[in-house]
Amino acid sequence: EAQVTQNPRYLITVTGKKLTVTCSQNMNHEYMSWYRQDPGLGLRQIYYSMNVEVTDKGDVPEGYKVSRKEKRNFPLILESPSPNQTSLYFCASSFAGREAFFGQGTRLTVV
Amino acid sequence: DQQVKQNSPSLSVQEGRISILNCDYTNSMFDYFLWYKKYPAEGPTFLISISSIKDKNEDGRFTVFLNKSAKHLSLHIVPSQPGDSAVYFCAATDDKIIFGKGTRLHILP
Repeated sequence: EAQVTQNPRYLITVTGKKLTVTCSQNMNHEYMSWYRQDPGLGLRQIYYSMNVEVTDKGDVPEGYKVSRKEKRNFPLILESPSPNQTSLYFCASSFAGREAFFGQGTRLTVV
Repeated sequence: DQQVKQNSPSLSVQEGRISILNCDYTNSMFDYFLWYKKYPAEGPTFLISISSIKDKNEDGRFTVFLNKSAKHLSLHIVPSQPGDSAVYFCAATDDKIIFGKGTRLHILP
């Protein structure tokens, strides 16, 4: 079954404690991306990757890092989380940034 | 500066009637447009797309229209069904993918 898997689904953490949200896809897609969804702001792209070792900033990259060492994995790293990064996060994958498959989401709370 | 705008936060439509969701964009470099549907507690799911070289794409009850001169696209759902109640996101892409803020569609019985 084609899928994008994010972990964890829910996470509560404290300010400044580094965390990683994992994302894995089984469709051999080149393009992967991370979004955050906030009330009234829709989906905003954080980072995207067009292939292994190629990453680019989206609209809201501040405070986030990503890496793309393998085609299937695209982890999102928060080196020093802050409360304004409390959000619902989605990972997605696609061929060439077209019709994307989204993960189930990770609800992050930073206190 | 919003490059993709969905100006209606919500829309209510009677079951069986036509739902029309609208989206405007500002960047003439966008070459591909997509609509996604999102239920609560789930990730968005792809619904339908259209390339900038076309003006219409149809898939069952869903049709997307693109007016490049007006930088406007719309999603038509005919007939509307209860399961269509969801948030609909318009998106546009060149390399980055830019989403609108979404329109919540309520299908009334």
